[in-house]
Amino acid sequence: RKEVEQDPGPFNVPEGATVAFNCTYSNSASQSFFWYRQDCRKEPKLLMSVYSSGNEDGRFTAQLNRASQYISLLIRDSKLSDSATYLCVVNGRGTSYGKLTFGQGTILTVHP
Amino acid sequence: DTGVSQDPRHKITKRGQNVTFRCDPISEHNRLYWYRQTLGQGPEFLTYFQNEAQLEKSRLLSDRFSAERPKGSFSTLEIQRTEQGDSAMYLCASSKTGTDEQYFGPGTRLTVT
Repeated sequence: RKEVEQDPGPFNVPEGATVAFNCTYSNSASQSFFWYRQDCRKEPKLLMSVYSSGNEDGRFTAQLNRASQYISLLIRDSKLSDSATYLCVVNGRGTSYGKLTFGQGTILTVHP
Repeated sequence: DTGVSQDPRHKITKRGQNVTFRCDPISEHNRLYWYRQTLGQGPEFLTYFQNEAQLEKSRLLSDRFSAERPKGSFSTLEIQRTEQGDSAMYLCASSKTGTDEQYFGPGTRLTVT
């Protein structure tokens, strides 16, 4: 089983749609989680950290379910500029703190 | 605002040659990380430094790979006797101690022919 698993998509949605991405992780001891966004042939950029209580940043909402080892990202009112690959990321613990483990990424295309 | 910088941005080399990449982290970030990314996959951790100390190395980092951060500022990643399987994007990231968020540089795209 992969340490971090995502549905690779692709997701093709019209502008204005709401889209949700899911991710599962295998290490129940993991403590910190992120969503990164990566444009084609560019570096990953931090989109948001994911907190236990859930957090929202504008049109983006991240949720964490520790019991199910499940992370989600919801994008509301999709824009053309949201088209990218979304990477689910889990931070290591203890001596592996700082070692980020990335999912394969979920490709999103928003069309007019 | 000076982010993480990497040099070169692209490198084409012949199999068997040695290559060296450089990463300059965000100033005052004392942690520096190297990752490798191949097409269609997420980045994979290679190694990281806290100041000049190399704290962890992935099993992906064979003995042909070596990384240094001699003065706790910039870092270099060297690959000796390159193989076609080394072709990838090599990403560097940095963070401050006590924070989780890592910020990535633009990467060095290596092509081994």
